[in-house]
Amino acid sequence: SYVLTQPPSVSVAPGQTARITCGGNNIGSKSVHWYQQKAGQAPALVVYDDSDRPSGIPERFSGSNSGNTATLTISRVEAGDEADYHCQVWESSSDHAVFGGGTQLTVL
Amino acid sequence: QVTLRESGPALVKPTQTLTLTCSFSGFLLSTSGMSVSWIRQPPGKALEWLALIDWDDDKYYSTSLRTRLTISKVTSKNQVVLTMTNVDPVDTATYYCARTTGNSGWLLFDYWGQGALVTVSS
Repeated sequence: SYVLTQPPSVSVAPGQTARITCGGNNIGSKSVHWYQQKAGQAPALVVYDDSDRPSGIPERFSGSNSGNTATLTISRVEAGDEADYHCQVWESSSDHAVFGGGTQLTVL
Repeated sequence: QVTLRESGPALVKPTQTLTLTCSFSGFLLSTSGMSVSWIRQPPGKALEWLALIDWDDDKYYSTSLRTRLTISKVTSKNQVVLTMTNVDPVDTATYYCARTTGNSGWLLFDYWGQGALVTVSS
């Protein structure tokens, strides 16, 4: 089965740039989606199809995907961005959704 | 406005069958391309996709849980039901239902319910 690997945690100071990676075999050939999950809440979609943003998501959130790594980039990080971030793909060969292990973003 | 809400028992005994209902509004599951999925998250752990049912009544299940899961829909009531047989304490988790959209190459979960915490314990 397809595996997505995320770092357990990332820390960044306010105003700086946070980069959260999601590794997978040839992930660049797949569409990657990212979800933000604040404490005690359900996940919410923040980036889809590698780099598109749903309406209402700030431009500070962006994504890229190439080779074996997809990246969620959060520019000008704010305290309110502190959350767990999960990457996800749809594995069409098996018709399964796959999630990464999640990354806890801490704003110092 | 799209909303989803999970309902079901908060406590289930080991070996029993768990039945969860997702009630939704703001979209029709009969619309081509529309689906609903169930996803769970054990306390402090990662998200795990469980099952999906689409507008055409096609169903897809997690490989590791497929023998224990059944997903169905009641289109007239805007509901999707998930049953899980023979539950175990490791099934303790928050269970989410989510609207699922996209095409066969990139399905995603664009709206989520608030989740229902289910504890399996004797």
